[in-house]
Amino acid sequence: ETGVTQSPTHLIKTRGQQVTLRCSSQSGHNTVSWYQQALGQGPQFIFQYYREEENGRGNFPPRFSGLQFPNYSSELNVNALELDDSALYLCASSLDGVNQPQHFGDGTRLSIL
Amino acid sequence: AQSVAQPEDQVNVAEGNPLTVKCTYSVSGNPYLFWYVQYPNRGLQFLLKYITGDNLVKGSYGFEAEFNKSQTSFHLKKPSALVSDSALYFCAVRAYNFNKFYFGSGTKLNVKP
Repeated sequence: ETGVTQSPTHLIKTRGQQVTLRCSSQSGHNTVSWYQQALGQGPQFIFQYYREEENGRGNFPPRFSGLQFPNYSSELNVNALELDDSALYLCASSLDGVNQPQHFGDGTRLSIL
Repeated sequence: AQSVAQPEDQVNVAEGNPLTVKCTYSVSGNPYLFWYVQYPNRGLQFLLKYITGDNLVKGSYGFEAEFNKSQTSFHLKKPSALVSDSALYFCAVRAYNFNKFYFGSGTKLNVKP
């Protein structure tokens, strides 16, 4: 069983640029969520996708957007990067259902200069 | 509003002693509660969940958690701590009708030999 994989592992960007982060879900999982984890804090929910549709969103501006593909892999896109966007971005996949635990990848460390 | 509180930033315990990591929550409706562990530079690993039924749930690596509805708490416990348990622990809650998880700020567990 293949777990959740994220790419790239690390990324450095400058303010104003755009970035795309990628995630491959665990085999059989049809739901994917993205989180932002700032240093020393808990993960903050960005959004969730189920069968290619966004079905839940946290308090993040529209410049944070996503996609889920038919094979359930996913992308997180962030436009107009700001210094505060520096964080660990985590992808988590799960089976559909509110009682299902999420399985996390190791994240992408994004640094904004 | 949904929220999770972990009142202790850090818990120190000697190896072989019991440990408790505290979590309280606020959620509308029936809560689904989860514990995750995070090792340095890694994603979160699922430990256990409470959905319904027995208030004491057992999970991975000898951990268990006690759900207390009247106190809105879901404390993580282990009868005998190991040095290898040292990590960052996160409590998370999900309301039954919301497609999002809320995570606490995390508790760093230090187990000393």
